[in-house]
Amino acid sequence: DIQMTQSPSSLSASVGDRVTITCRATQGISNYLAWYQQKPGRVPKLLISAASTLESGVPSRFSGSGSGTDFTLTISSLQAEDVATYYCQKYNSAPYTFGQGTKLEIK
Amino acid sequence: EVQLVESGGGLVQPGGSLRLSCAASGFTFSDHYMDWVRQAPGKGLEWVGRIRNKANSYSIEYAASVKGRFTISRDDSKNSLYLQMNSLKTEDTAVYYCARVRLGTTKVFDIWGQGTMVTVSS
Repeated sequence: DIQMTQSPSSLSASVGDRVTITCRATQGISNYLAWYQQKPGRVPKLLISAASTLESGVPSRFSGSGSGTDFTLTISSLQAEDVATYYCQKYNSAPYTFGQGTKLEIK
Repeated sequence: EVQLVESGGGLVQPGGSLRLSCAASGFTFSDHYMDWVRQAPGKGLEWVGRIRNKANSYSIEYAASVKGRFTISRDDSKNSLYLQMNSLKTEDTAVYYCARVRLGTTKVFDIWGQGTMVTVSS
């Protein structure tokens, strides 16, 4: 099975900072990669599909890139409301594995 | 309003069984693949399984960790998804979410339920 590894596992940054989270697959998955945001005590929310397609209503400071095995989620200017755990997920074939998550905090 | 509402969680002893339900509303349930995802306390998201729609023969896939113990089913006439969990282990303790799979080629989870807690403990 393909494994999904995110880095870092946790991250502390200041409001206004540019933040980058990486997701790596052990085999190529083309662009079948989604990013989800889970705020504390809340249900996961879809942010990005097809590696780089922003969901409707998601702020434009979020962006995704990558293809094959290496992907990134970038927040161009971190806001306080972005405190959350972020997960990548492959969806090309089963098992539809999630990364272990990246916990983002405000410094 | 598009909505998924899970129910059926609770406390069960190791080796026991539990059946979770997910009631869908606000969309054509029968068109969509549906998945179960779980999250152990303080841990990340784990995909549990998928059931496809009638057009795809209601085919089912499971994570290796639950295969042979869990059974996913659906009743399109009741707009409902189910997860029958047998031979439960302490490591099955988690919040269980049902999630809608988006129509088309981008099969991501676009709608999530609020989750139901399952605790496996003696």
